Amino acid sequence: ETGVTQSPTHLIKTRGQQVTLRCSSQSGHNTVSWYQQALGQGPQFIFQYYREEENGRGNFPPRFSGLQFPNYSSELNVNALELDDSALYLCASSWRTSVTDTQYFGPGTRLTVL
Amino acid sequence: QKEVEQNSGPLSVPEGAIASLNCTYSDRVSQSFFWYRQYSGKSPELIMSIYSNGDKEDGRFTAQLNKASQYVSLLIRDSQPSDSATYLCAVNGKYGGSQGNLIFGKGTKLSVKP
Repeated sequence: ETGVTQSPTHLIKTRGQQVTLRCSSQSGHNTVSWYQQALGQGPQFIFQYYREEENGRGNFPPRFSGLQFPNYSSELNVNALELDDSALYLCASSWRTSVTDTQYFGPGTRLTVL
Repeated sequence: QKEVEQNSGPLSVPEGAIASLNCTYSDRVSQSFFWYRQYSGKSPELIMSIYSNGDKEDGRFTAQLNKASQYVSLLIRDSQPSDSATYLCAVNGKYGGSQGNLIFGKGTKLSVKP
């Protein structure tokens, strides 16, 4: 167990709806990264939050947005859901240092878009 | 476009044998390298991190890094059926040498036969 928690575990939505996924980082960690993992693929970076600000973004459209709160927990919001958004959404937390950047993953949220 | 390449497998080895997993990466300035294990339906679990050329050993696992050849490998000694999983190679990405997103390969599926 990494100490990173995510909710909900599973979610079923219909196309066009909006969804919010939540992540609590491991104690002592100040950085949260979100990844999307489609079936049979490696995780793809969505964005990262550090000190409540977006600190880098992958190749995802603006309908993917996020927040980080003062306690370092984070939300991922996806608007106007599309069928291709069906995937495992992973949150990873880390402690930002100048040397190491090891990221620890939560259990993930399985999103199905019908 | 920075890439991480892995043989998708499946790689099948008998119990007790050495499993060798390989990964190449395209960005010469990458500094941090990680191996994650992912069981079916679960999230990635960190096995090893490596930052310097050479070998790093942790129990039955040895990570090897060759920056000149842009090559990372993971050896699993005395393979057990419980090692059967998908192994993901990850390299630090765009946003800085020590902290940033991870770029993942598609993973190599390992099957250890009793």
